[in-house]
Amino acid sequence: GQQVQQSPASLVLQEGENAELQCNFSSTATQLQWFYQSPGGSLVSLLSNPSGTKHTGRLTSTTVTKERRSSLHISSSQTTDSGTYLCAISASNTNKVVFGTGTRLQVLP
Amino acid sequence: NSKVIQTPRYLVKGQGQKAKMRCIPEKGHPVVFWYQQNKNNEFKFLINFQNQEVLQQIDMTEKRFSAECPSNSPCSLEIQSSEAGDSALYLCASSLRGDTQYFGPGTRLLVL
Repeated sequence: GQQVQQSPASLVLQEGENAELQCNFSSTATQLQWFYQSPGGSLVSLLSNPSGTKHTGRLTSTTVTKERRSSLHISSSQTTDSGTYLCAISASNTNKVVFGTGTRLQVLP
Repeated sequence: NSKVIQTPRYLVKGQGQKAKMRCIPEKGHPVVFWYQQNKNNEFKFLINFQNQEVLQQIDMTEKRFSAECPSNSPCSLEIQSSEAGDSALYLCASSLRGDTQYFGPGTRLLVL
């Protein structure tokens, strides 16, 4: 089945630094979504980006579909960015979504 | 921001007891998903619906779990006989077309 691998598993930054998160997947994805999960568990959709580059606020996602990878860039990190970032994919022949195990980000003041 | 509502937020059950959780999808979203997230942050797809019909479900759901999405009522996921290994965060998501999913806050189940 589809697999999604995220790196790094954890990341510690000082406030103001940039973060680069990676997502690699094993088979063709027609939908790719980045989520933020707060320490309390709530999931928030950040970006849907099956291909190309998308920006929202301080976030930029670049997905290269042919190479089966996506990145999430967080610029000028803030302490409130701390949490887990999850990458999830689905393929056109299924409504199932497969999640990676996430990158745990900690931003220090 | 997601408008998916899940209740209860926390659920504590003894082994062998039934555990039922509910989900109200975003208005107009016909597709509903249930996931289980364990303490290692791993997500497991359980079941999804389009309107009231089951689209896909995994074996675990077929045996001890039951789920439904009746019209004009909340969707529900019920574990018939809870086991310690069922302790997890149960997340409901809804979608317009099955692509972008919007998640509720989850129900955290603890089976003692």
